Amino acid sequence: QLQLQESGPGLVKSSETLSLTCTVSGDSISSTSHYWGWIRQPPGKGLEWIGCVYYTGDAYYNPSLKSRVTISVDTSKNQFSLKVSSVTATDTAVYFCARRVGRSSWFDYWGQGILVTVSS
Amino acid sequence: QSALTQPASVSGSPGQWITISCTGTSSDIGGYDYVSWLQQRPGEAPKVMIYDVNSRPSGVSNRFSGSKSGNTASLTISGLLAEDEADYHCISYTPSGTWVFGGGTKLTVL
Repeated sequence: QLQLQESGPGLVKSSETLSLTCTVSGDSISSTSHYWGWIRQPPGKGLEWIGCVYYTGDAYYNPSLKSRVTISVDTSKNQFSLKVSSVTATDTAVYFCARRVGRSSWFDYWGQGILVTVSS
Repeated sequence: QSALTQPASVSGSPGQWITISCTGTSSDIGGYDYVSWLQQRPGEAPKVMIYDVNSRPSGVSNRFSGSKSGNTASLTISGLLAEDEADYHCISYTPSGTWVFGGGTKLTVL
């Protein structure tokens, strides 16, 4: 059974860099059929697609976040990571990692989510 | 890249059917058959109920169906059950490998 698990600090100071990791178990992140992505949800609000990465390292980003976001993959550890620089209170959210089946809109597996709070 | 437009809330009685709309543009919903609908209960991760406009993952009730006309996608839930009460989000593919969500719709089963 495939599982995704987010990890990282739950509290980040304003202007610093938020760093999260998603560990994949039960499948290889080197699959040619899947993309690995990050989605976030501010408290009480809707979902926002942040970006995704292919096992080759090719990454795609939300244009509104592109200047501050980096998503990378570590195939040796079966993990992928998210970095958001220069964070502010508006980056406070639950961050989810998820797998998407290629050539489709099927986000079939999700992590449980991790709350990251940006403090001043 | 603007968010897709969904109604903030919809409601229905048990046994009835409801439809939730998701309106975009010709650059997202209208341009591709890559639209999904996700169900999210409080405190839980989202779960895909419909993908690729009208495909249903194994295990999802056939009371859930999806469709698309022009720049608007729709999720229909028939035979409403109390357990269907949740937030529903649409997401569509956009050019250059990116994706955009709708604002989410709260479904209340009366």
